[in-house]
This record gives sequence, C-alpha cells and structure tokens, in this order.
Amino acid sequence: EAQVTQNPRYLITVTGKKLTVTCSQNMNHEYMSWYRQDPGLGLRQIYYSMNVEVTDKGDVPEGYKVSRKEKRNFPLILESPSPNQTSLYFCASSRVQESTDTQYFGPGTRLTVL
Amino acid sequence: EDQVTQSPEALRLQEGESSSLNCSYTVSGLRGLFWYRQDPGKGPEFLFTLYSAGEEKEKERLKATLTKKESFLHITAPKPEDSATYLCAVKRGNTGKLIFGQGTTLQVKP
Repeated sequence: EAQVTQNPRYLITVTGKKLTVTCSQNMNHEYMSWYRQDPGLGLRQIYYSMNVEVTDKGDVPEGYKVSRKEKRNFPLILESPSPNQTSLYFCASSRVQESTDTQYFGPGTRLTVL
Repeated sequence: EDQVTQSPEALRLQEGESSSLNCSYTVSGLRGLFWYRQDPGKGPEFLFTLYSAGEEKEKERLKATLTKKESFLHITAPKPEDSATYLCAVKRGNTGKLIFGQGTTLQVKP
C-alpha cells in the first residue's frame, strides 16, 4: 500500500530535550516536506527536500533541522524543543513533475512540549 | 507577498443544499492550485490539482474551478459525510514551496 508513515504519532516531552520525528514514504517520491498545523494559522511549511541531499527552508524553519540521506526518509529534528513548538506535524511526499506533483500526507504527529 | 485566503471560515448547510467555497490567491508564478479535504485529527487528503485558468475538475459531488485570481470548490447536493475542513494550497514557481489557506470547515446537517 502506497503511504507516508510518521513516528511517533504522539509525543509529550520537556523543554530542551532533543527529539526526532521520522517520516518515511514507499512511493519513490523525490519531494518530501514537513508542515506544522496550529489553530487559526493553518498549515505552514517548515522544510522541504526536492531530492536526496537537497533541502530548503519553508516559511517557519526556525528551531528545526532536517536531513535527506535516503530517498524514502526525511526526519525532522528538534535540537532544543520549546513550548511554542507544541503543534500537529505532518510529513508529505510527491513527485516533482507537473501533473504528478500532488502531495500525499502522513497521519500526523501530535507534539506537546512542556 | 504570496498569500492564500479562503472564505468563508465556516459553513453550515442542510443536506442537499448546494454551495461554493472560495480560495483567493496572490502568488509569484503559480505552478498549481491544490484542494484537500481534512477530517479531524487526520492528514489532508488530496482532491484536485488545477494548473491553468479555465481548468475544471469534478469528483462525485465536488467540482473545482480556477481563474487567474481565485478558485472555487462547488459542492452539489452535499451529504453529511461531506462534513470536513477543505484546504486550498498554491505552489510557488519552480520551487518546492506550498502555501496553504486557513481552510473552510463545512458542516452538513441531515
């Protein structure tokens, strides 16, 4: 089954404790992206990757890191989480060519930083 | 500044009462406009992609249209299972950047 998976689905942590949220896709997509969703602010793009070893900032990259060492994986790293990073996070993937560049989203990771 | 605005924020319809959702956008070099459906606590689910003004796409009770400044999602004779938040997003130029609107939450009452 074609899918984007995220782990963990739920995470409660404390300020300053480094964490990684994993994202994996099995569709051989070149493009992967991370978003956060907050009430009243909608979905905002954090980072994206057009292919292996190519990453770029979205609109809200501060406090986050990413890496793309393999095509299927795109982990999101919070080196020193803060309470304002409490949010619902989504990973997405797609092809890059027009007409096939629909993004498919994962199920989400709900993060709470105390 | 690139921007996507959806209206209304919330919409309540009776079953069978047709209506339209609006997505207005300003973006440098539109590469594509996407409509998604999102159920509470779940990831967005793809509905349509539109690439050029005048383009239309249909799926069951939904029809999406695109002009140079806005897109409409028309819902014909909605059913309670159409209740969800509908998200509009635009892709900017030859980049990987995707800008989302804040969504329209639709409630369809039986």
